Amino acid sequence: DGGITQSPKYLFRKEGQNVTLSCEQNLNHDAMYWYRQDPGQGLRLIYYSQIVNDFQKGDIAEGYSVSREKKESFPLTVTSAQKNPTAFYLCASTPDGTGELFFGEGSRLTVL
Amino acid sequence: SQQGEEDPQALSIQEGENATMNCSYKTSINNLQWYRQNSGRGLVHLILIRSNEREKHSGRLRVTLDTSKKSSSLLITASRAADTASYFCATDGTGFQKLVFGTGTRLLVSP
Repeated sequence: DGGITQSPKYLFRKEGQNVTLSCEQNLNHDAMYWYRQDPGQGLRLIYYSQIVNDFQKGDIAEGYSVSREKKESFPLTVTSAQKNPTAFYLCASTPDGTGELFFGEGSRLTVL
Repeated sequence: SQQGEEDPQALSIQEGENATMNCSYKTSINNLQWYRQNSGRGLVHLILIRSNEREKHSGRLRVTLDTSKKSSSLLITASRAADTASYFCATDGTGFQKLVFGTGTRLLVSP
């Protein structure tokens, strides 16, 4: 079945540690996105990529980094520079031109 | 930045009743979308309405769009307990393929 797989579903991190969240899709979609969601809030865009080897900052990119070496994969690294990293992280993708986003099931990061 | 704002923030109804939630946005758009999110899960796309459309239906869902007022509404008819979720509108006003989401409406449908 085609879809988007995020891992891990739950992640705990100590302050000062970098963590990488995985996002893999087998939908052959060109564009991929990372969103952050805080409790009771909407989604805020962290980074997005419209094509392999290219990505752009979203509204809240500070303290995060991404790579897009393969069409299927768009990992997100939460660095120690991110002041308040505890949140629910959602990865999404879309085929070029349709606008509809397909989401993964999310990764919940908790900083201890 | 939050492009859309949903209203109400929370809505509680009984099964069988209709649920209406509204979305207001700030800039011109090409299309507006509605998504559903069950607690702790990813979002699921419900419906997309283009700026030149005024109304669209999908099963028990009815979406309207008023570009002059920069607003949209989502109506769920004959609600079921399984409709309990958060509902978000999303617009593309800030750029192609770059959706901006509202703050969501939490819907609770009681049996």
